[in-house]
Amino acid sequence: SQKIEQNSEALNIQEGKTATLTCNYTNYSPAYLQWYRQDPGRGPVFLLLIRENEKEKRKERLKVTFDTTLKQSLFHITASQPADSATYLCALLSGGYQKVTFGIGTKLQVIP
Amino acid sequence: KAGVTQTPRYLIKTRGQQVTLSCSPISGHRSVSWYQQTPGQGLQFLFEYFSETQRNKGNFPGRFSGRQFSNSRSEMNVSTLELGDSALYLCASSSWTGGNNEQFFGPGTRLTVL
Repeated sequence: SQKIEQNSEALNIQEGKTATLTCNYTNYSPAYLQWYRQDPGRGPVFLLLIRENEKEKRKERLKVTFDTTLKQSLFHITASQPADSATYLCALLSGGYQKVTFGIGTKLQVIP
Repeated sequence: KAGVTQTPRYLIKTRGQQVTLSCSPISGHRSVSWYQQTPGQGLQFLFEYFSETQRNKGNFPGRFSGRQFSNSRSEMNVSTLELGDSALYLCASSSWTGGNNEQFFGPGTRLTVL
C-alpha cells in the first residue's frame, strides 16, 4: 500500500540555521509533490509544488528537492526564524483526478 | 476574495448520533475535498466533489457521505457516530486549473464524540 513518511515528529533548530525536513514515499509514483504549512488550530497553507521532472524549486527562503529514484523530497528553510515554527506537511498527487495523499507532518520549532 | 469557510467550528455529539458539516469554497472553485485529521493518522482523504459529482473517495466506511450543490457548497454527513470519529474535519477547495494545483483549506470543524 502507498506510504508516506516524514522524518521525526518534532525538529528543534536554532534561529538562523537551515532546517531540513524529509518526505519519503513507497509504492507511489506521484506526478507532483507539494509542501504545506499548518499552524495550530488552522488548516494547512500551500507553500510549494514540485513536479516529477523537476529536481529543485525555490521560493524566497524555501527550497524543495525531489528525487524520484530515491522516492524522497527534502524541504529546506534557510535562515530560519521563530515565525517558521509550525507543522510542515508533504502531499503527493497522482495525475488525472486529484486524490491527494498527505504525510503526517513534521513539527518544526525554531528556538530564538 | 473570501477564503474557504466551514460551519460549525466546533461540535459535540454523543455516540450513535449523526452530524452534518458544511463547507463553502472560494468563489469560482468547483472542487471541494474533505479530510479527517487526527494526531495519530494525520490528514486522511475522505472524498472529493467536482461539479456536484464525487470523483474520488478515500477508505472510509459508508457512514461518511457527502454531497455538493450547484453553487459548489458542500456538506459532509457522518451517521451513527463513534468515539473514533472525534477529529478535525477540514475541507479544501481548488480550481485544479494548472499551476500549482494547490488546495485552499478552511479552518476546520472540531468534532468531539462523547
